[in-house]
Amino acid sequence: NAGVTQTPKFQVLKTGQSMTLQCAQDMNHEYMSWYRQDPGMGLRLIHYSVGAGITDQGEVPNGYNVSRSTTEDFPLRLLSAAPSQTSVYFCASSLRGFGYTFGSGTRLTVV
Amino acid sequence: AQSVTQLDSQVPVFEEAPVELRCNYSSSVSVYLFWYVQYPNQGLQLLLKYLSGSTLVKGINGFEAEFNKSQTSFHLRKPSVHISDTAEYFCAAVNTGTASKLTFGTGTRLQVTL
Repeated sequence: NAGVTQTPKFQVLKTGQSMTLQCAQDMNHEYMSWYRQDPGMGLRLIHYSVGAGITDQGEVPNGYNVSRSTTEDFPLRLLSAAPSQTSVYFCASSLRGFGYTFGSGTRLTVV
Repeated sequence: AQSVTQLDSQVPVFEEAPVELRCNYSSSVSVYLFWYVQYPNQGLQLLLKYLSGSTLVKGINGFEAEFNKSQTSFHLRKPSVHISDTAEYFCAAVNTGTASKLTFGTGTRLQVTL
């Protein structure tokens, strides 16, 4: 099994550009989440989903959109990139919260 | 909502010495508790988890943690560390009812030296 796959691994954006970070899992997990990791702040929840068609906001949702049309995929959209969104982004999935599996991350730089 | 506090941002230790990484949580409801490890430039790997049952939980790489409900703690321990244990360690909690919003502490950097 591939587990949780994130693409791309690295990305540089200019301020104001938009992009989509991709996340796919092949474990038939119901729950999926997006986190951002910044030095000294741990991981903060951006958006999460408990199943196809159901999404909700986490701790830091501003500037990001998500959708969940299938169980497998949970893309994260940056609407208009800002330097404050420079971070490492992790996608995770779980079978009803009994331990989350993480992807390898996307390192995003906004200039 | 729950919160997680990791009291030490950095823990230096010599190889083969024991180590304890501290984690406290705050929640008005029952929680599941986790420890994750992150090696440089990698994702997070689950070390161990407490869901229910025995309060002493054993994980991978010789780590264990003890759930203490009265002290709302979930400290991570290893009796003898190796250089290869150098990494960032994160404690996390999730409400058992919804289990959909995993909350992390700010992390503890374990630095093992000779």
